[in-house]
Amino acid sequence: AQKVTQAQTEISVVEKEDVTLDCVYETRDTTYYLFWYKQPPSGELVFLIRRNSFDEQNEISGRYSWNFQKSTSSFNFTITASQVVDSAVYFCALSEANYSGGGADGLTFGKGTHLIIQP
Amino acid sequence: DAMVIQNPRYQVTQFGKPVTLSCSQTLNHNVMYWYQQKSSQAPKLLFHYYDKDFNNEADTPDNFQSRRPNTSFCFLDIRSPGLGDTAMYLCATSRVTGTFNQPQHFGDGTRLSIL
Repeated sequence: AQKVTQAQTEISVVEKEDVTLDCVYETRDTTYYLFWYKQPPSGELVFLIRRNSFDEQNEISGRYSWNFQKSTSSFNFTITASQVVDSAVYFCALSEANYSGGGADGLTFGKGTHLIIQP
Repeated sequence: DAMVIQNPRYQVTQFGKPVTLSCSQTLNHNVMYWYQQKSSQAPKLLFHYYDKDFNNEADTPDNFQSRRPNTSFCFLDIRSPGLGDTAMYLCATSRVTGTFNQPQHFGDGTRLSIL
């Protein structure tokens, strides 16, 4: 069974601070994908990144960076110099890389971290 | 341009009155998913279609049904909605080639309120 744990329910920081959102996952699959999604108050899920299990390189995209470590089953997300517009709920998610026709083909989400950036 | 389109964006209906939510896609993806997201919770997969093959999650209530008349459209039918079905309903699509599963694209969701 797959499981994604986001232990931080809510984080509040002042604008311009750096903030890291933690994600720990469990899976028996050897090939899988990890994702981060942003969900603003309007409700849509905004795709941020996908990482496959073969690629442990860290990635940076502007103020966003991701640290994938298979050894600790973690896929953490850091926002540098946070801005008020970053305020949202952030979900970490996991899916199998190979379609099997069963329930695991959907995304397994963590419970989300509500990030509040105060001006 | 929106590639996964959900209608309506907001829906209010009465307890027990059947309701249908719509999802369409322009991506020509062979898999379409429906998720339910209750307030302050993570999205939860209800079921998905691989082409015309329907795959139901074990804990999805019988009250929830789905139809996929063609590649582009997929519907979520709630036969007798209860107050506990108030939620955001998210549609997603992906392409599966062979056994290789591509990432999912989400629509903006339908906020359903049962009164």
